[in-house]
Order: sequence, then structure tokens, then C-alpha cells
Amino acid sequence: AQTVTQSQPEMSVQEAETVTLSCTYDTSENNYYLFWYKQPPSRQMILVIRQEAYKQQNATENRFSVNFQKAAKSFSLKISDSQLGDTAMYFCAFMKHVGSSNTGKLIFGQGTTLQVKP
Amino acid sequence: NAGVTQTPKFQVLKTGQSMTLQCAQDMNHEYMSWYRQDPGMGLRLIHYSVGAGITDQGEVPNGYNVSRSTTEDFPLRLLSAAPSQTSVYFCASRRRTSGASTDTQYFGPGTRLTVL
Repeated sequence: AQTVTQSQPEMSVQEAETVTLSCTYDTSENNYYLFWYKQPPSRQMILVIRQEAYKQQNATENRFSVNFQKAAKSFSLKISDSQLGDTAMYFCAFMKHVGSSNTGKLIFGQGTTLQVKP
Repeated sequence: NAGVTQTPKFQVLKTGQSMTLQCAQDMNHEYMSWYRQDPGMGLRLIHYSVGAGITDQGEVPNGYNVSRSTTEDFPLRLLSAAPSQTSVYFCASRRRTSGASTDTQYFGPGTRLTVL
């Protein structure tokens, strides 16, 4: 069975600074996907970034980037130039690639609450 | 497109009552799922469906029932509510893809359920 662990329940960062959120996972699969979701106080789940395990290049989306270490089973999220609107809970998630299609079953970590301070 | 919609947004039940959480999507997505979110535990999969007429259990299916009679709707039924089912419930949908690609999973706004 796959597991996802986020070891930082809470973090804070000053506005405009950089912060890194950690995520480790355990799987025996070789083909899978990893995601970071943001959940602001509105409760809406918002996809921040995703990474395909077969790609060696780390994914980036504007101020958000990941450090994907497949051998170490590590998938950290770096937020550059933090903004007040980045204040939210962040979830790391894993999805197994099943044959020629994906069932969309996500396995989530426990979440990290990020506070961006002015 | 409205995306993924859920009703109600909030609900309070008494132990033993039954109710149905509604979920609908207008994106013609094949895959739909129900998750529950509890403090310190992230989101956990309850049930999922890969198409109309096809459902399967997720990680925490006990006490819940689902059906998928149409592509658009995926209701979640609580047969006899228990305090342990107090949680926030999210419905999600995704387009079926093939090969090495995967598409974005869209989440509804959630339903906060309290069972007294």
C-alpha cells in the first residue's frame, strides 16, 4: 500500500521570502504521479503543481516548483516570493498509474498549514 | 461550466438518521470520487466510480453507499449516521485519460457534516 507523509504540521514564512514544504512517500510502483494541492480557508481544493514520476525534470508553475527525488521518494514544494494569498493548508498527494488508464484515486498526506506573515 | 457542485454545504444530523450528499459535474468526466477530510489525516477516499453503473470501494467505505446511474451525478448515502462520520466531504471528478498522461482532478466545494 502507498503512504504519503508530511512531517511539518505548521510552517510560517515572511512575505516575499522562500519556503519549502516537505513530503515523502512510500510505494513499490515505478509509474505514478505526485501532486501538491492548496486548500485556503474557503475550503476549496486547488491543484498547485503535479509531477509525473517518469519525468526527471522538476515541474515548475510560476512561483511554485518541486524537488522530486525518485530514489529517495521525496517530493518537496518550494514557494518563492511568498504572498499573503499563499496562506493555506497544503497537501501532498500520490496517484498510481494503472495500466493504460488511471482511476484517479489519490492518496493524501496529512497536510501542512502555511502562514505567510506580512 | 459550473464544474463540480455539492449540496448541501452544511448539515447537522442526529445519530441514526440517514441522508444523501449530492454531487454533480457538468464536464462529462468519467471518473468521480468521494473523500472525507478529518483533522490531521488529510483526505481519505470513500468510494469512487469509473463510469455510469460502475462503483468501487476506497480506503474508508464502511457506513457509506454510492451509486452512479448517470455520468453527471454521484450521490453519497449515509445509511445510519454515527458521530464518527462527522467530517468534511469532498466530491471530485476527472476525465479519463490513457497512456502516460493524467488530467486534473476537480474538487467540489465540500460539505461539512456534523453528527450529534
